[in-house]
Amino acid sequence: EAGVTQFPSHSVIEKGQTVTLRCDPISGHDNLYWYRRVMGKEIKFLLHFVKESKQDESGMPNNRFLAERTGGTYSTLKVQPAELEDSGVYFCASSQLKSGQNTGELFFGEGSRLTVL
Amino acid sequence: DAKTTQPNSMESNEEEPVHLPCNHSTISGTDYIHWYRQLPSQGPEYVIHGLTSNVNNRMASLAIAEDRKSSTLILHRATLRDAAVYYCIHPSHQGGKLIFGQGTELSVKP
Repeated sequence: EAGVTQFPSHSVIEKGQTVTLRCDPISGHDNLYWYRRVMGKEIKFLLHFVKESKQDESGMPNNRFLAERTGGTYSTLKVQPAELEDSGVYFCASSQLKSGQNTGELFFGEGSRLTVL
Repeated sequence: DAKTTQPNSMESNEEEPVHLPCNHSTISGTDYIHWYRQLPSQGPEYVIHGLTSNVNNRMASLAIAEDRKSSTLILHRATLRDAAVYYCIHPSHQGGKLIFGQGTELSVKP
């Protein structure tokens, strides 16, 4: 069974450009999460989809970040325009957790490293 | 948000047991305790979780204090491949969102 896959593995762009990161969750997982780790900091939650709906987007840093999950399958995270402080590793995770559950395993991808110059 | 406290780093020798402590004094009665680890250049991976009783799986054991304010992840025989950052987490009630702390960086010496 394929795990969570993320693309690209590494992206280098200049400040002001746009980047779109993609995440393919494990098939059948309704829950999809985005996290990021900025250099030297902790892994931070960004947002959570249940199917195509945004369940929790409290961690999105600002309106330069746009996440979508059309059709409830794969998700994209677009950064437009990118700033230097957006550099870091963006992780996607998926799970089969049902509404009201607070436990269960999250499966993470290997991350997309973003470098903004 | 949920809050846990772990030592920043620990060292172990290969083939020896490792006990990784975690304090979670604000945990609620229904919060599970999860442990994840992040190997170099990889995404976090699930290790183990528990509520009140001690738990064992193929990767590790989890010992939970009776008052649930602390827990210990036990690697019975550390290998070089166990070198990673270990995170002790108790999820929020909002769909299982994980709140990562700084974790414990475990180094394993041959």
